[in-house]
Amino acid sequence: GQQLNQSPQSMFIQEGEDVSMNCTSSSIFNTWLWYKQDPGEGPVLLIALYKAGELTSNGRLTAQFGITRKDSFLNISASIPSDVGIYFCAGQRGETSGSRLTFGEGTQLTVNP
Amino acid sequence: GAGVSQTPSNKVTEKGKYVELRCDPISGHTALYWYRQSLGQGPEFLIYFQGTGAADDSGLPNDRFFAVRPEGSVSTLKIQRTERGDSAVYLCASSFLAGTSTDTQYFGPGTRLTVL
Repeated sequence: GQQLNQSPQSMFIQEGEDVSMNCTSSSIFNTWLWYKQDPGEGPVLLIALYKAGELTSNGRLTAQFGITRKDSFLNISASIPSDVGIYFCAGQRGETSGSRLTFGEGTQLTVNP
Repeated sequence: GAGVSQTPSNKVTEKGKYVELRCDPISGHTALYWYRQSLGQGPEFLIYFQGTGAADDSGLPNDRFFAVRPEGSVSTLKIQRTERGDSAVYLCASSFLAGTSTDTQYFGPGTRLTVL
């Protein structure tokens, strides 16, 4: 099935560094979301974006909804060891095209203390 | 309970067998979703229910897969004649009301299905 193009696939960083990951699609989404998944758990919502061009923060996380509605990025500032996990972007078309989420392939983040 | 729960957490079965996976959504959530996550991949949509009816089942891979939600709460995903390629983590999510612009899906921990 369709998945969004997410990059990078993995990142290895030192504690305190900033990280950035992004997601692109060939088609438009009306909502972009970023989830984090820990081993043995389901994805947990970090940030939701509802308007093209929107920039939203949640603590050390900042995400933007691309103006073309075909892309989004997530930044994590001053990383800490508990940021380790897999980060997924997801797109949702919304009312006219259903509520299903289309996910990226994930970015595996490793933070070295 | 406070969150979405799924049982069993792990299921090992033999090729050709029938399995049922159960999802208990968050109380009061009208929409329920099933996704499948293969190793190293993001979740892929299977089916979603609004109340008791399947509003979108276009993600089901073939007719061996079927899901029900008879009373609009608990849902069961049923897989007949399992194949090794069905091995994956099956995730369930629920939301308050599907189709709204702020419809947030909350995920359960998943059932890890292994077909030998």
